[in-house]
Amino acid sequence: GENVEQHPSTLSVQEGDSAVIKCTYSDSASNYFPWYKQELGKRPQLIIDIRSNVGEKKDQRIAVTLNKTAKHFSLHITETQPEDSAVYFCAASSSGGSNYKLTFGKGTLLTVNP
Amino acid sequence: EAGVAQSPRYKIIEKRQSVAFWCNPISGHATLYWYQQILGQGPKLLIQFQNNGVVDDSQLPKDRFSAERLKGVDSTLKIQPAKLEDSAVYLCASSLAEAGSSYNEQFFGPGTRLTVL
Repeated sequence: GENVEQHPSTLSVQEGDSAVIKCTYSDSASNYFPWYKQELGKRPQLIIDIRSNVGEKKDQRIAVTLNKTAKHFSLHITETQPEDSAVYFCAASSSGGSNYKLTFGKGTLLTVNP
Repeated sequence: EAGVAQSPRYKIIEKRQSVAFWCNPISGHATLYWYQQILGQGPKLLIQFQNNGVVDDSQLPKDRFSAERLKGVDSTLKIQPAKLEDSAVYLCASSLAEAGSSYNEQFFGPGTRLTVL
């Protein structure tokens, strides 16, 4: 099955700096890569996703890049703000026959210091 | 639109007791998922339904966990008997697309935090 590795497990930055979180996946057939943000005690929420036919996608201060050859994808947050503090999960959608399911990384705790 | 609803939000039980969780997905969403999220880890899929049929339960510990979605809408997840290692947050999610689509944005409920003593 799919295996998703996520690094780093914790990341602390100063407000205004950039943050980068990296993930690798094992199943070359995976073709959808969402990123979820989970604030303390709350539900995961989708913040951005990318499909395998695209190398980069950007939404305001958030961008995701995908390298299919190397089987890794990254989340980039620019001009970080204290409200960006949360746990971020990457995931990869892989096929088990006709069914697709998400495999999540272990998460990155991002702390943005004012 | 209303989000995914789950109850209860918190549950504390003794080991070897049984417990049940309930989930009501977003209206019209065909696919429903139950995840287990242990503290400090990402969600792990336990079972996936499309309408009222199971499409993936490969990671469900079937000796103690069961789930159903009889009418293809809401769902229950049961643990009987519970073990200490079952302490986790149980998340329900739903998606509009069918299980055969890889582009499945999943919407999560608030979760049920289970503590097994």
